[in-house]
Amino acid sequence: ETGVTQSPTHLIKTRGQQVTLRCSSQSGHNTVSWYQQALGQGPQFIFQYYREEENGRGNFPPRFSGLQFPNYSSELNVNALELDDSALYLCASSRQGRETQYFGPGTRLLVL
Amino acid sequence: KQEVTQIPAALSVPEGENLVLNCSFTDSAIYNLQWFRQDPGKGLTSLLLIQSSQREQTSGRLNASLDKSSGRSTLYIAASQPGDSATYLCAVYMNYGGSQGNLIFGKGTKLSVKP
Repeated sequence: ETGVTQSPTHLIKTRGQQVTLRCSSQSGHNTVSWYQQALGQGPQFIFQYYREEENGRGNFPPRFSGLQFPNYSSELNVNALELDDSALYLCASSRQGRETQYFGPGTRLLVL
Repeated sequence: KQEVTQIPAALSVPEGENLVLNCSFTDSAIYNLQWFRQDPGKGLTSLLLIQSSQREQTSGRLNASLDKSSGRSTLYIAASQPGDSATYLCAVYMNYGGSQGNLIFGKGTKLSVKP
C-alpha cells in the first residue's frame, strides 16, 4: 500500500510569485486535507477536499486555493506569496473526514 | 474557539525512564483525539486515536488516556529509548462545525531521550 506522497520536497520562491504543491493520497482514501505548519507551531488547517469538492476551510485568505482530481490526488495553489507563507505544507489523506489522517512528508516552502 | 495546549514544550530524560506528556483542550465537545509523532522537518505519524467515548488506547510502549470532562489527555511512554526523540503533537476533531476534517493541534512537546 503506497503512502501519502508530496512534491516537491523543497521550494524557494520570491514575494508576489505563485506556487503549486502536489499531493497523492493513500490508496483507497477519498479525502485530502492540507495544513500549514510554521516553525515551532502546530499545523493549521487550510482546507479539505472530499470527492473533488471543498469540504471545509480554515482561516486562510482566498489566495490559498485547491483542487482534487478524480484519482483523489490534490493540489494546493498559493498566489501573491508573502514572506509569512514560508512554512512546511502538509497533506493528509483519510477514508472519511474524522478517521485517522495519514500525513505525507511535507513540502518546505521558503519565500524570500 | 477550541484551544489545545501541550505542556511541557520540551522535555529531556535519560534512557529507560517512563514519562508522561500532557495535552489539554478548552472545549470538551470533541469527536476524537489523536497523538502524532513528528521527526525534524518531516511529516506526522499517527500514534494513537482515542474516540470521545473511550478512556484509553494502547500501542506497544505507548498508552494514551482521555478525560473529556476535564479536557485532558496524557501520553505515557514506557522505558523510553533514544529513538523516541521527536516532537509529539496532540490534535482534536470537534463534534460541530462545517468542516469535518479540521484537526486542531497543540504546539507539541519536543522530547529528547539521552543514551
